[in-house]
Amino acid sequence: GQNIDQPTEMTATEGAIVQINCTYQTSGFNGLFWYQQHAGEAPTFLSYNVLDGLEEKGRFSSFLSRSKGYSYLLLKELQMKDSASYLCAVKSRLAFGKGNQVVVIP
Amino acid sequence: DTAVSQTPKYLVTQMGNDKSIKCEQNLGHDTMYWYKQDSKKFLKIMFSYNNKELIINETVPNRFSPKSPDKAHLNLHINSLELGDSAVYFCASSQAAGSYNEQFFGPGTRLTVL
Repeated sequence: GQNIDQPTEMTATEGAIVQINCTYQTSGFNGLFWYQQHAGEAPTFLSYNVLDGLEEKGRFSSFLSRSKGYSYLLLKELQMKDSASYLCAVKSRLAFGKGNQVVVIP
Repeated sequence: DTAVSQTPKYLVTQMGNDKSIKCEQNLGHDTMYWYKQDSKKFLKIMFSYNNKELIINETVPNRFSPKSPDKAHLNLHINSLELGDSAVYFCASSQAAGSYNEQFFGPGTRLTVL
């Protein structure tokens, strides 16, 4: 089976850095996705990690530790448009976490 | 051009009715999915089809029946609708099921059962 855990909500100011954590337990792992979902919209792909370490893509970075069943998404230089829910998903059975709502304030 | 499209966008219906949601992708992808997102925003996979064949079927009531006439379409038919079926249903597609490929989501269908 699978269990994916994410904290539910955080607030941060423009220009700040936030880290969104995701822990998972799964039988069989072959990658972890991060998606961004704005209110009332569909999820959009942000990143994919299959090996341990940090993947950087502009203002967003994603980290994976397979031995710890842990990933995080790092958002730098926060902008108002980054206010959204961030979902992690383990690929093996396409199970998504509940998402972490990030609210960016001026 | 819309990559993954769903119709209708909103669906309001009475308990006990039968309804269908259609999904089409023009990305040439081999794999399509249906997800249910409930009021708590939990996104759960329901079905996945690869080249018109069912490859994932999570624990979903058999009132839900996916149909894939070709690899560009995956429709969802729901019989005897219940209050608990109210949710947003997302269709998605990816290039292949066995590799990393990211999923592209449709805009969602908000189903409300009264």
